[in-house]
Amino acid sequence: QKEVEQNSGPLSVPEGAIASLNCTYSDRGSQSFFWYRQYSGKSPELIMSIYSNGDKEDGRFTAQLNKASQYVSLLIRDSQPSDSATYLCAVNSNTGFQKLVFGTGTRLLVSP
Amino acid sequence: GAGVSQSPRYKVAKRGQDVALRCDPISGHVSLFWYQQALGQGPEFLTYFQNEAQLDKSGLPSDRFFAERPEGSVSTLKIQRTQQEDSAVYLCASRQGARDEQYFGPGTRLTVT
Repeated sequence: QKEVEQNSGPLSVPEGAIASLNCTYSDRGSQSFFWYRQYSGKSPELIMSIYSNGDKEDGRFTAQLNKASQYVSLLIRDSQPSDSATYLCAVNSNTGFQKLVFGTGTRLLVSP
Repeated sequence: GAGVSQSPRYKVAKRGQDVALRCDPISGHVSLFWYQQALGQGPEFLTYFQNEAQLDKSGLPSDRFFAERPEGSVSTLKIQRTQQEDSAVYLCASRQGARDEQYFGPGTRLTVT
């Protein structure tokens, strides 16, 4: 079992719809969770961080965390074609010095 | 302010050559990480520095990989006797505190021919 799992996609949504991206993790001791957006040929860009159970909203983005289910998600409201990218879920390792453990990413395609 | 910078952005090396990749973290960031990202995969941890101390090098794939950060700022990742399987994007990230987010540089795309 991979430490952080994501559906590779692609997830296709029409412009204006809500995109829902999901991630599960295996380390119950993980405390910090991040979503990065990565455009093709570019480096990961941090878009959300979440540390406690519940929802955290920032503009069109909402991160949701459920530690009991070891599940974290990202909702993108009013999706735009410019949101088309790969979204990487990252979890701080509970061991050592909190390196990030990444999923393989979910590719999101937003069609006009 | 300035973000994380890396150089070179692209490097082509012949198999067996040595390469050196540079990372300049965000000013004041104590922690520095190196990751390797293969095509279609998420970044994978290589090594971690806190100031000048290399506290975790568990992700370095072989003893051909070496990293340093002698003055606690700029870091260099060196790969000796490059192999084709070393072809990847090498990402550097810096972090201010223990729980803070990591910010990535643009990466160095290494191609070994």
